Amino acid sequence: DAGVIQSPRHEVTEMGQEVTLRCKPISGHNSLFWYRQTMMRGLELLIYFNNNVPIDDSGMPEDRFSAKMPNASFSTLKIQPSEPRDSAVYFCASSLSGGNYEQYFGPGTRLTVT
Amino acid sequence: GDSVTQMEGPVTLSEEAFLTINCTYTATGYPSLFWYVQYPGEGLQLLLKATKADDKGSNKGFEATYRKETTSFHLEKGSVQVSDSAVYFCALKRGQNFVFGPGTRLSVLP
Repeated sequence: DAGVIQSPRHEVTEMGQEVTLRCKPISGHNSLFWYRQTMMRGLELLIYFNNNVPIDDSGMPEDRFSAKMPNASFSTLKIQPSEPRDSAVYFCASSLSGGNYEQYFGPGTRLTVT
Repeated sequence: GDSVTQMEGPVTLSEEAFLTINCTYTATGYPSLFWYVQYPGEGLQLLLKATKADDKGSNKGFEATYRKETTSFHLEKGSVQVSDSAVYFCALKRGQNFVFGPGTRLSVLP
């Protein structure tokens, strides 16, 4: 299996621009998670989906952030407009729901907003 | 709510030293417990897990035992190597809910 795939791996953009991060979970996994990691705040859960339905988006920092999962094999995290404080590494992870199944993380997208 | 507490880092050790990273949790019921490792520039990888009380997870020389009486899941390794330098995260899962600790940075010096 290819694991969780994220694109792009690196993104540099200017303040005010729209940014879209993409994730392909492991085939067969029905839970998907978006995290943000910074030195100051550590690893933060932004949102997670179960069977393509958003279950908990309480970690989404503000209305500039939105996430979608149109099907079981694709999810996006969009920031519009982007700000310098959004600079971070964004991780996508997937798992089977319930039971004792662990999460599998993608390699992350390093976002820099100038 | 559920939470995970880890010892604050960074932890700096010499090669072949003994490692302990403390982890305690707060949760109702019987969560599954995990240790993840993050090497520089990479995503988190599962290191080991335990799913019920007294279970011991082990991998790559690392071990952790699920202690329900002390709500702990401490990570240990008898002899660390320079290649073990990374950030270690303790986590719990209860139902669909994953909770990660803040991470502990380990540096191993040759």
